[in-house]
Amino acid sequence: SQQGEEDPQALSIQEGENATMNCSYKTSINNLQWYRQNSGRGLVHLILIRSNEREKHSGRLRVTLDTSKKSSSLLITASRAADTASYFCATDAEETSGSRLTFGEGTQLTVNP
Amino acid sequence: ETGVTQTPRHLVMGMTNKKSLKCEQHLGHNAMYWYKQSAKKPLELMFVYNFKEQTENNSVPSRFSPECPNSSHLFLHLHTLQPEDSALYLCASSLRGGGRPTDTQYFGPGTRLTVL
Repeated sequence: SQQGEEDPQALSIQEGENATMNCSYKTSINNLQWYRQNSGRGLVHLILIRSNEREKHSGRLRVTLDTSKKSSSLLITASRAADTASYFCATDAEETSGSRLTFGEGTQLTVNP
Repeated sequence: ETGVTQTPRHLVMGMTNKKSLKCEQHLGHNAMYWYKQSAKKPLELMFVYNFKEQTENNSVPSRFSPECPNSSHLFLHLHTLQPEDSALYLCASSLRGGGRPTDTQYFGPGTRLTVL
């Protein structure tokens, strides 16, 4: 499997509920980033968490990182219909050179009004 | 708006055509990237430029030819493409070029390319 795999592939919830998406990766990382993409558009950076951090918050977003399990989770609280999008994790692996992020296949989140 | 623009937004071309995609960033960044996004596949890094110099070519076929005349502009020249090259082509930029760890990347809206 690839560096940066999101789980689940698709998630459908009701407005107001929380959404949790997970990301697993294989190699040691410098940081892990989460991005959001509305259909057919570019990606928008949400949050970056460094390898020495365990949790980070930004508004309704909460990201955790467990380097021992090589996994991260993105929690969106009190979801809104406007949160409907694809969410990608991207890893900056220690072993790679240059400015390279490796993206997962994404989780498609649908928030129903 | 992320400060990264791409033109055209949509492009339909035949296999014998030559076309170019343009990307411009207004963020004062030093690194620029081309990605390919196909349906049901992860984002694929194609090229990386740091301070106008190409630092990564991710085994991209020669029918894709990048050009970076300065740190603000990036082009992708296309010729004799195949139908399987149809995809969303995304440009991105980041502040640091080649530094460790990798910076946040700012993406343009993409060019939807269809090869007939």
